[in-house]
Amino acid sequence: QKEVEQDPGPLSVPEGAIVSLNCTYSNSAFQYFMWYRQYSRKGPELLMYTYSSGNKEDGRFTAQVDKSSKYISLFIRDSQPSDSATYLCAMGPLSGGYNKLIFGAGTRLAVHP
Amino acid sequence: DAGITQSPRHKVTETGTPVTLRCHQTENHRYMYWYRQDPGHGLRLIHYSYGVKDTDKGEVSDGYSVSRSKTEDFLLTLESATSSQTSVYFCAISEPFGGVYEQYFGPGTRLTVT
Repeated sequence: QKEVEQDPGPLSVPEGAIVSLNCTYSNSAFQYFMWYRQYSRKGPELLMYTYSSGNKEDGRFTAQVDKSSKYISLFIRDSQPSDSATYLCAMGPLSGGYNKLIFGAGTRLAVHP
Repeated sequence: DAGITQSPRHKVTETGTPVTLRCHQTENHRYMYWYRQDPGHGLRLIHYSYGVKDTDKGEVSDGYSVSRSKTEDFLLTLESATSSQTSVYFCAISEPFGGVYEQYFGPGTRLTVT
């Protein structure tokens, strides 16, 4: 069983829809959680990170963490065609230096006009 | 893009040949990482470095070696390339922020081993 599970999709939604992307994990030591966006043939870019349970909002994006259920989500409001990309969750334990990140396999999202 | 470049960006090589990929950063980051990305597996850590000449293995290090003789350069070498090493390789750096080390990625190198 993988430490981080992520539904690969693809997920296809109409423009303006609310998108929910999710990951589950099994390691209780994971304390910080990140979401990356990756456009085709590009490197992943960091969207958001959080290290506490609850919600964190940044514009149209909301990251949600439920440590008791070992479940994290990324919500995208008013989705746009430019949001079409693969979204990767990543997580790891807190440390004073090198941070070991474990990535989900990524969910491919297509937002059509 | 955190000042990270990777070279080459694309390479086709034959089984059994050595291959070296280069990651170059311009902002003096201490931590550097090499990942490979394959369908269904996401990003998997090959090796990482926490300083000049200080490196350690990740989860998929077999068949790979690394070197870091200067802060700005982190080299990944496939001693004898195999078809299973066909992948997209990403370099990343860590930047400390509030105690959490965010990772930033380069543009990637697409390697095909025939």
